[in-house]
Formats: sequence, C-alpha cells, structure tokens
Amino acid sequence: SQQGEEDPQALSIQEGENATMNCSYKTSINNLQWYRQNSGRGLVHLILIRSNEREKHSGRLRVTLDTSKKSSSLLITASRAADTASYFCATDAGGSNYKLTFGKGTLLTVNP
Amino acid sequence: EAGVAQSPRYKIIEKRQSVAFWCNPISGHATLYWYQQILGQGPKLLIQFQNNGVVDDSQLPKDRFSAERLKGVDSTLKIQPAKLEDSAVYLCASYALGTEAFFGQGTRLTVV
Repeated sequence: SQQGEEDPQALSIQEGENATMNCSYKTSINNLQWYRQNSGRGLVHLILIRSNEREKHSGRLRVTLDTSKKSSSLLITASRAADTASYFCATDAGGSNYKLTFGKGTLLTVNP
Repeated sequence: EAGVAQSPRYKIIEKRQSVAFWCNPISGHATLYWYQQILGQGPKLLIQFQNNGVVDDSQLPKDRFSAERLKGVDSTLKIQPAKLEDSAVYLCASYALGTEAFFGQGTRLTVV
C-alpha cells in the first residue's frame, strides 16, 4: 500500500524558477525522506527529515514537515534542466524494522 | 564505497517463463529490500530481509515470487511463472542503522 501521496503528479517549469512538491501521508512517522529518480535509473537519496524537525536545507533543497497535517514539501530553488526527474517521498513508520513506504511521485520537467 | 549492484539491467521473457534477479548490497548492510516499480508508479515493497531472515513479505505474491538471502549478503528474487503484469523495474536497496537506504540501478523486466 502507498503511504505517501505526492502533489502535483506532474510539474513543468522554466530553468531558474523554483519548484515545490508536496507529500501527504496517513500514519505517524519516524522520519520522511525525499528521493530523486532519473528516467530508467535507480533512486537517489536527497534529504531526510525527522519527525521532531520542521525544516531542513541541503544546497538548493528545502524540506518542511508538518506532522499535525501529516504533510511535507520539497522546494528546489533556481531549478536547472538537470533537475528534470521524478521525485518521491518515502516514510519510515519507525519500530524495529526500517521500512520505507513510497508515494507515487511527482514528475518534474525543467525546460531550458 | 561501492554501491548496490544488480543484474541483469534488462530482461525480456515470454509469459509463463521464469526469471531471476541478483542483488549484492553494500558491504555491512544488514537490511536488504526488493521493490517493484511499475511504470508511472512509486516503488512497492515486495520483501525485506534483516541479515538472512525475512521481516516483511506481506506484499510478495508468494504463488509465483520467491526470494532468498543466503549467508545474509547477496540476494536473489525469482518469478515463476511470469505474467504480463509483472513487467516492471525491480529495485534492490540496502540499509544500515544511521544511514539512508541505498538503491541499485534496477532490473527492467518486460514480459511479452
């Protein structure tokens, strides 16, 4: 079953613009992670935010987490054509097993 | 650090045939996952190993799918017999406490 739901399903922007993707989930989590997947490739880990954190930055990435609304957002600033990819949120519910449950993803297209 | 290795990268088989995928996780990673990713969807967990024991196989179609992780290192995932709806990318990932999950490049299976 899918835990996270990304929104929008697809996003098309121009180079230099900011891109915002959202993720909603259903059950309590230990942490939430964002992954990127280029066409035909494996998943690359971008950033992890723990349930007791509200915001995290990594380079041009900014992630927020609102546990009261069970939602997270990923902001990519000053986008580049190379950022074109699918972006997935994945949640870890905690417990003794580290189990990642993925959403359906957002397809981001950055036009040169 | 070497990443997660998977083989083959691509496989085309006829329905009702059998197929096997191989995964070599990052050295020292106790947890290994197999995910199925159908085109346009997020990865779905098929099975999770902790060392050589199964901790979650609730979404593995056990009538046709099997997986093993002998000696707690390499793993194989088998499908027998394959159906058209098994066409997907099969992703292997490994994890160690204190890190994030690392994914291999995946095996793209086409069943015709």
